[in-house]
Amino acid sequence: SQTIHQWPATLVQPVGSPLSLECTVEGTSNPNLYWYRQAAGRGLQLLFYSVGIGQISSEVPQNLSASRPQDRQFILSSKKLLLSDSGFYLCAWSPYRWLRDSGNTIYFGEGSWLTVV
Amino acid sequence: GESVGLHLPTLSVQEGDNSIINCAYSNSASDYFIWYKQESGKGPQFIIDIRSNMDKRQGQRVTVLLNKTVKHLSLQIAATQPGDSAVYFCAEGLRIKAAGNKLTFGGGTRVLVKP
Repeated sequence: SQTIHQWPATLVQPVGSPLSLECTVEGTSNPNLYWYRQAAGRGLQLLFYSVGIGQISSEVPQNLSASRPQDRQFILSSKKLLLSDSGFYLCAWSPYRWLRDSGNTIYFGEGSWLTVV
Repeated sequence: GESVGLHLPTLSVQEGDNSIINCAYSNSASDYFIWYKQESGKGPQFIIDIRSNMDKRQGQRVTVLLNKTVKHLSLQIAATQPGDSAVYFCAEGLRIKAAGNKLTFGGGTRVLVKP
């Protein structure tokens, strides 16, 4: 079965410091990968998605970047964090193929809580 | 951009009753729809999905209904249990290429189950 791992689970960083959140998926090949952000009490906002190694699409202009150095590894980074970067960050994956019955369901990791102070 | 259910209402339900959570979507071109359950401090958990060529799909204690005419999606939970207390998100999916897709999420509905 497929599993998704995301770390660290909790992070407190000062303003202006760098950020690196990592995500890996096991049990599948060539998954689509995603980074979402969820502000407290709010819905999920898609930040980046990737359909292959080195292929990154950005959904919103922001202080963050993403990279996919390996097939099942997705990294969210920042060179200098802002207070507004605080939130709950979720990595997610979906199967490569468009499935006949269920489309392309996205499965989420457990998330990383980032507090910028 | 397109949006799905921007509100975060709260639904209080008596244990054992049926719950109905509603969601409005705006992109008539969306290919499929998903319901997620999110417990406090955790990532969203997949509940059930439905393709745009269907109007009803049933799972274990849950049923999703899709009305494309009015762009409305609902999740019905039978015999609601305390463990069903969570925030529920609907999401609409759009196929962007053969191997990719995007989901747009609504703001969620909080379900509180009263004993």
